[in-house]
Amino acid sequence: DAGITQSPRHKVTETGTPVTLRCHQTENHRYMYWYRQDPGHGLRLIHYSYGVKDTDKGEVSDGYSVSRSKTEDFLLTLESATSSQTSVYFCAIRPDRAYEQYFGPGTRLTVT
Amino acid sequence: SQQGEEDPQALSIQEGENATMNCSYKTSINNLQWYRQNSGRGLVHLILIRSNEREKHSGRLRVTLDTSKKSSSLLITASRAADTASYFCATQKGSGQGAQKLVFGQGTRLTINP
Repeated sequence: DAGITQSPRHKVTETGTPVTLRCHQTENHRYMYWYRQDPGHGLRLIHYSYGVKDTDKGEVSDGYSVSRSKTEDFLLTLESATSSQTSVYFCAIRPDRAYEQYFGPGTRLTVT
Repeated sequence: SQQGEEDPQALSIQEGENATMNCSYKTSINNLQWYRQNSGRGLVHLILIRSNEREKHSGRLRVTLDTSKKSSSLLITASRAADTASYFCATQKGSGQGAQKLVFGQGTRLTINP
């Protein structure tokens, strides 16, 4: 998966608890993205980063925050998980001089 | 809101037949990309077509783009069982930091029957 890993791969958590998902890349790419995938909605962008400490909101950013303190790591945090955040979360990276994105294997999150 | 709308939502064909999937979008774009997703896996980039291109080939894949109709099609020729997957179109538009985003369609689920 193009030098990109996600952890954990599966997580079950309770409503109201904080959750952090990690995306790690070995490619040294500047651009990193977090998406969620839900049936009937395709992939929707949550947040993205264009460098260390440089992030911006995507289409569905409410309830999520991100941090990028190192080039290789992009963290997605659900401050207080809700059942509507049950989803599969994908991280992606993009080389600077290209348009295509490379995806990680995904994290399946269930909020009970 | 989704930029791309894909049609059909599901397609089932016999091995060896050709599969055609369509994508429509709403606003001007810089490029359009197609991705494949096997069950339980991440998306894999297949092909990119720029707004000034009309057709592009890659192996058994043929992509067309009609900017006047704001639509694209993906043709997979001589389908194989391994082509069974979901296929997504994604559009990239604009300039600056906003241009670094892709907007994905809802996907077409393709099943190749042996």
